[in-house]
Amino acid sequence: SQQGEEDPQALSIQEGENATMNCSYKTSINNLQWYRQNSGRGLVHLILIRSNEREKHSGRLRVTLDTSKKSSSLLITASRAADTASYFCATDAVYTGKLIFGQGTTLQVKP
Amino acid sequence: EAQVTQNPRYLITVTGKKLTVTCSQNMNHEYMSWYRQDPGLGLRQIYYSMNVEVTDKGDVPEGYKVSRKEKRNFPLILESPSPNQTSLYFCASRSFIGRAYEQYFGPGTRLTVT
Repeated sequence: SQQGEEDPQALSIQEGENATMNCSYKTSINNLQWYRQNSGRGLVHLILIRSNEREKHSGRLRVTLDTSKKSSSLLITASRAADTASYFCATDAVYTGKLIFGQGTTLQVKP
Repeated sequence: EAQVTQNPRYLITVTGKKLTVTCSQNMNHEYMSWYRQDPGLGLRQIYYSMNVEVTDKGDVPEGYKVSRKEKRNFPLILESPSPNQTSLYFCASRSFIGRAYEQYFGPGTRLTVT
């Protein structure tokens, strides 16, 4: 069952622009995580935000979480061509220990 | 180096020929799982294990088996592969101790069943 739904499915921007991806989910969560996947490779953890947090920063990444709307956003500032990848949100549901992934947003950053 | 390893990375096989994809992690993680990734369907969990000798079905378990005899290993077994199991497979592990909840993924196994 898919919990995290991401929007947009695909995003194409110029280098230097900001990229924003959104994620919506359905049930109560312990935390929400964002992962990055370069084509055909394993996913790499980017950032985790707990259910009692509203915003978190890591380098050029900014994540927000609105538990009342059951949504999160990932902002990548000053994008680079090397940021080209697919980005997935994953919700860590309460009590289950299971991470549920959305279908991802494919980001293309043009040099 | 903390890592999840999978073997083989690429495999082409024929329908019905049993195969095993191995997965090993060196982080002493309790939780391990297998996913398959297909275009337009995202990542779907096949099986997971909360600890040694404890396994449970994920969202798409049909046609797969797993075992967890040791904490570090979590092999995925396809007893009679079929073409609809052609996919990209990922093993992953995570810990629930402390507050380190991120999941570590293996590099993937691209399986083609003809």
